Amino acid sequence: DSVLTQSPGTLSLSPGERATLSCKASQGISSSYIAWYQQRPGQAPRLLIYGGSNRATGTPDRFSGSGSTTDFTLTISRLEPGDSAVYYCQRYGSSWDTFGQGTKVEIK
Amino acid sequence: QVQLQVSGPGLVKPSETLSLTCTVSGGSISGYYWSWIRQPPGKGLQWIGYIFDTGNTNYNPSLKSRVSVSVDTSNNQFSLRLTSVTAADTAIYFCARADWNDGYDSWAQGALVTVSS
Repeated sequence: DSVLTQSPGTLSLSPGERATLSCKASQGISSSYIAWYQQRPGQAPRLLIYGGSNRATGTPDRFSGSGSTTDFTLTISRLEPGDSAVYYCQRYGSSWDTFGQGTKVEIK
Repeated sequence: QVQLQVSGPGLVKPSETLSLTCTVSGGSISGYYWSWIRQPPGKGLQWIGYIFDTGNTNYNPSLKSRVSVSVDTSNNQFSLRLTSVTAADTAIYFCARADWNDGYDSWAQGALVTVSS
């Protein structure tokens, strides 16, 4: 089963800048089963992207997902203060619905 | 809109069994699979296991020997049992609804379970 490794561990950027978060799989995965979640402090995770690139209901179009096989990316095009959170990638729809270890996005 | 809520003891003694229930309201158990996820304080998310409305299950290999998930479709609930707990099992436990194609689209707020004597 595939292990997901996210990088960087922490990303510190200013409002308006672009954030690029990476998620690498140890074995090939269909992008149809890659999701991204946002978790703000003290809250449950919230689904942002499913099927690799589909925005969940309520996800602003500043968030976009891309990638294939072993390399997946979440891009936040214009950071806002409310985007400060930890972001997790996940492989779902399998016998082992594993998560990456997370990337913390800090807004300066 | 579907809502999920975790209930159960917030404190469990070492070597005992952790038991939690997730109650689903505003929607049916049918047509989805239902997962348990945990998060140790200050750490990342760990998938524990899931169950289909049919009762079929899958578990994280690292926990498989100690975990079981069951479903009660008549009461719109599913449950987690984790045996022989240690301090390493201290975590916030979340339950979530999952669609095979659309990911984990609804989450409970989560419940902190502390393992301590």
